Amino acid sequence: QQQVKQSPQSLIVQKGGISIINCAYENTAFDYFPWYQQFPGKGPALLIAIRPDVSEKKEGRFTISFNKSAKQFSLHIMDSQPGDSATYFCAASMDSGAGSYQLTFGKGTKLSVIP
Amino acid sequence: ETGVTQTPRHLVMGMTNKKSLKCEQHLGHNAMYWYKQSAKKPLELMFVYSLEERVENNSVPSRFSPECPNSSHLFLHLHTLQPEDSALYLCASSPLAGIGEQFFGPGTRLTVL
Repeated sequence: QQQVKQSPQSLIVQKGGISIINCAYENTAFDYFPWYQQFPGKGPALLIAIRPDVSEKKEGRFTISFNKSAKQFSLHIMDSQPGDSATYFCAASMDSGAGSYQLTFGKGTKLSVIP
Repeated sequence: ETGVTQTPRHLVMGMTNKKSLKCEQHLGHNAMYWYKQSAKKPLELMFVYSLEERVENNSVPSRFSPECPNSSHLFLHLHTLQPEDSALYLCASSPLAGIGEQFFGPGTRLTVL
């Protein structure tokens, strides 16, 4: 059972446009929601993250919007650039005990920003 | 070296071979993880270690055997793998007093012939 649903699977945006990726989760035990960016041949890199007691977090051109009641969160990339072309994963985390955490990932969104 | 490193970066093995993947973290973290990333599935958590003790084993076949000799090193021992085990294997680490953030290595691209 997939616990984090991510859409769209792929996204094409023109340079300067806004990229929006959406995720929904089911398990209310999740308490930390990171987004990862992955370039070909690289591991996922933590991009931005949010806790459920906050409705929005902004870091530069990247913003997470979080709706706890709807169990949804989204990533907005403002002024999208060709260098933003990558695969983006949303994730949800919960404490798995002994100081470790279990991350459940969405399937990923391949973003292409065209000049 | 900084961050999380993994060796080898690429590995081709036959189904009867035995090989090991190595992960090393230089972040002073105390929890380490193995993930499998294949084309048609989300990133799958395989094993979790915290303070060198295995915390989680997500129903992974016994042909995958993890080892965590200390908080900086993590191994994944492979034997009698199947072609469907071909994937990118990612290692990650997280701080003990963190909030859930995990930092990933570049991965080992494994091909099983």
